[in-house]
Amino acid sequence: QVRLVQSGAEVKKSGASVKVSCTASGYPFATYSITWVRQAPGQGLEWMGWISVYNGITNYAQSLQGRVTMTTDTSTSTAYMELRSLRSDDTAVYYCARRTDFADYWGQGTLVTVSS
Amino acid sequence: EIVLTQSPGTLSVSPGEGATLSCRASQSVSSSYLAWYQQKPGQAPRLLIYGASTRATGIPDRFSGSGSGTDFTLTISRLEPEDFAVYYCQQYGDSRRTFGPGTKVDIK
Repeated sequence: QVRLVQSGAEVKKSGASVKVSCTASGYPFATYSITWVRQAPGQGLEWMGWISVYNGITNYAQSLQGRVTMTTDTSTSTAYMELRSLRSDDTAVYYCARRTDFADYWGQGTLVTVSS
Repeated sequence: EIVLTQSPGTLSVSPGEGATLSCRASQSVSSSYLAWYQQKPGQAPRLLIYGASTRATGIPDRFSGSGSGTDFTLTISRLEPEDFAVYYCQQYGDSRRTFGPGTKVDIK
C-alpha cells in the first residue's frame, strides 16, 4: 500500500532553518510528484509547492519564494522540504502528499515549532 | 491566484440528515480541476473528490461533488457519525494551487 512517512517534530529558533523529510513506499517513487502543504495551529491548509521527482522541476508558493527549497533523493525514495529564516508564523504542521494536482495520499504530518 | 471561498463556515447537522457545502472561486477553474478533502482533528486530510465530481478510491457514495466554472458543491446525502469533520476545497487549474478556508460540519 502507498505510504508517506515523515520525520519527527522539530523545535527551532527564529532565524534558523528546518528540513523535513518524507519517505515514500508502495509505488514507483519517480512516477508521481510530491506536494507540500502546511497548517498553522487551528487554521486551514496552505499550499506550499511541489517538486517533480522525475526531473526536479519545482513550483513554489509566491509567499515562500526565496525561503523554501524542495528536493528529492530517488535512491531512498525520500522528498525533503527545507524552510529558512524561520519566523513564529511558520509554526505549523507540515504535510507531504503525493501528486501535484490533487493529493491522493498524505504523510502523517510534522509539527515544526518556531520559538523566539 | 485563484481565491476560494467556502460557505457556510460552520454547518450544524443531525446524523442521518443531508448537508450541502459550497465552494466559490474568484475566477473560473479550468476543466473543473477542483478537489474536496475531509480532515478530522489530529489527522491528515483525506481526498474525497477530484475533477469536481469523481469520488476517490474507497469513498462512500453518500459523498458527491458537482459544479463547474466558479461554483462547486459537495453534498453528503446522509451524515454518519464519522462524517463530522472539516471539509476543504482545493483548485488545481492554476499552477499556484489554493485551498478554501474550510467548512466545519458539526453535530446539531
